Amino acid sequence: NAGVTQTPKFQVLKTGQSMTLQCAQDMNHEYMSWYRQDPGMGLRLIHYSVGAGITDQGEVPNGYNVSRSTTEDFPLRLLSAAPSQTSVYFCASSYSALLGNTIYFGEGSWLTVV
Amino acid sequence: GESVGLHLPTLSVQEGDNSIINCAYSNSASDYFIWYKQESGKGPQFIIDIRSNMDKRQGQRVTVLLNKTVKHLSLQIAATQPGDSAVYFCAENAHAGGTSYGKLTFGQGTILTVHP
Repeated sequence: NAGVTQTPKFQVLKTGQSMTLQCAQDMNHEYMSWYRQDPGMGLRLIHYSVGAGITDQGEVPNGYNVSRSTTEDFPLRLLSAAPSQTSVYFCASSYSALLGNTIYFGEGSWLTVV
Repeated sequence: GESVGLHLPTLSVQEGDNSIINCAYSNSASDYFIWYKQESGKGPQFIIDIRSNMDKRQGQRVTVLLNKTVKHLSLQIAATQPGDSAVYFCAENAHAGGTSYGKLTFGQGTILTVHP
């Protein structure tokens, strides 16, 4: 997917550990967001940001923190990993938060918490 | 809460046939809908979108139909090819105060399998 880069691709964590999923885009997009995808379900919004310095909660924010210190980067932090956070995480971005702007997704980060 | 759902979880077609994937939504205030294609191990890829002031929109080999009366939209793929095999999601773009902050609400997805 053009311009949205996620790292790492795969990660295994022990319960209680913390980690950060990185997301970067080089398209000068204002809007960025994080989703999680669980088996048999569509993507669910965790957190989003409409610009540098601005973040807000989505549908399932508990257990996650975000920050947006630059336009390019939007890291997702797991504070104390739990097995329920085993999922595939997708970062997304769009030019602006206005209706109709195409939202581009990264390739995903597969996280397993044991 | 509001949700977007799909009628059929799987769809198998022969190469060259036309495919129709359906989606029901429950939020009558929804005004923007998107179809995404997701191949195995990859992120969702934008296919086509439609605003609520339209009932049909066409792209290359794809058409989206919107029926606001029954809160239903569909994705039609013409001359389906093996490369079209993927999971297809409909998504509703949440509306807030005249703008949208890209808060997509996704359906569960339909698995499309195209047989050569």
